[in-house]
Amino acid sequence: DQQVKQNSPSLSVQEGRISILNCDYTNSMFDYFLWYKKYPAEGPTFLISISSIKDKNEDGRFTVFLNKSAKHLSLHIVPSQPGDSAVYFCAASGDTGTASKLTFGTGTRLQVTL
Amino acid sequence: EPEVTQTPSHQVTQMGQEVILRCVPISNHLYFYWYRQILGQKVEFLVSFYNNEISEKSEIFDDQFSVERPDGSNFTLKIRSTKLEDSAMYFCASSRGANVLTFGAGSRLTVL
Repeated sequence: DQQVKQNSPSLSVQEGRISILNCDYTNSMFDYFLWYKKYPAEGPTFLISISSIKDKNEDGRFTVFLNKSAKHLSLHIVPSQPGDSAVYFCAASGDTGTASKLTFGTGTRLQVTL
Repeated sequence: EPEVTQTPSHQVTQMGQEVILRCVPISNHLYFYWYRQILGQKVEFLVSFYNNEISEKSEIFDDQFSVERPDGSNFTLKIRSTKLEDSAMYFCASSRGANVLTFGAGSRLTVL
């Protein structure tokens, strides 16, 4: 039951260029979306989120775009830095007022090369 | 910066043994969670806990699993009789409100 899908298991980008990570979802009840970053031997770290009432949210080098009709979101990192090399998880939630059950994608491993 | 701490970082146990994984959530957070990640697979929700009771649990969270907040600071996950397929990284998380969870570094459980 893959309600949240990240179809690219890995991505390699040169330092300074844009990284675009994609995520698709199937459950139309999802109304809040998050990106988490994970380094080896650490837990997922929250990066940025977006509510379904918006189509874009920006925080410094990170921008998340949401296309509700296509059930697609993407994370843009620009410019990419070597420290951004990590696994990026897309997550979705259908609860905005109570303890949340996040449904995660399988992750995309981003490698930023010099 | 406040963080969620988990112990032990790695536990090896024999099949059929009981295991308790411990977590100290961020002190002013109200919601507590356990997730797990089997090697090579995605992070999966196990259980959420609010106001001293389970608010939601997944199909994975069967009768072998239980959670407890024994005092004001700890949040524990107990697996009564471990199976080989319980081998995974277990992540504790907490949140002040809904949605933005802060995760701990994880406890790796290896069942032999």
